[in-house]
Amino acid sequence: QVQLQESGPGLLKPSQTLSLTCNVSGGSVRSASYFWNWLRQPAGKGLEWIGRTYSSGTTDYSPSFKSRVTIFSDTAKNQFSLHLKSVTAADTATYYCATGFIVATGNTFDIWGQGTVVTVSS
Amino acid sequence: EIVLTQSPATLSGSPGEGATLSCRASQSVSSNLAWYQQKPGQAPRLLIYAASTRATGVPARFSGSGSGTEFTLTISGLQSEDFAVYYCQQYDEWPPAFTFGPGTKVDIK
Repeated sequence: QVQLQESGPGLLKPSQTLSLTCNVSGGSVRSASYFWNWLRQPAGKGLEWIGRTYSSGTTDYSPSFKSRVTIFSDTAKNQFSLHLKSVTAADTATYYCATGFIVATGNTFDIWGQGTVVTVSS
Repeated sequence: EIVLTQSPATLSGSPGEGATLSCRASQSVSSNLAWYQQKPGQAPRLLIYAASTRATGVPARFSGSGSGTEFTLTISGLQSEDFAVYYCQQYDEWPPAFTFGPGTKVDIK
């Protein structure tokens, strides 16, 4: 069973780059059976999909983030990462990595990390 | 971008009662709609995908229906562990631009 765990700095200053990593266990980021996604949730608010990467290196990004986001995988470490440039206070949120078994549940998210809180403050 | 609206914003129910949650899409998403449950301090949990298919391990009291622009999540007989926030998500757009509804909070009356 695939398990996910996010890691990265919890506090950033405005204009910095947010960098988070999701460690994958019980599966491989090289598997063609999964998309590897990042989502976020500001405190007390709803969920936002940021983007995803796939085993081929293909990426898809939400139009809301496309200009400043990069998602990529590291097959040697079995991880995938999120870089979000030029953060502001509006990027303060809990960030989740998530995946799903494509042939079973399609483009949904049935496996989630526990989430990591990122605060942007000067 | 496809916008999802959910109603009601809050639903107050008693244990044993039924609950009906609605999700409306700004344009057709076919059956490419999922429902999630989220409890405080936890990641969301996938309940329903393809509008009506229960995810693994989801109790039979949860059922989904609908297609196109109108969808419903029904909980037949609320249990204490069902008091949570429920989100719908569409995954129909291409290129992908997956979006979520604002959520319905189910709380205890």
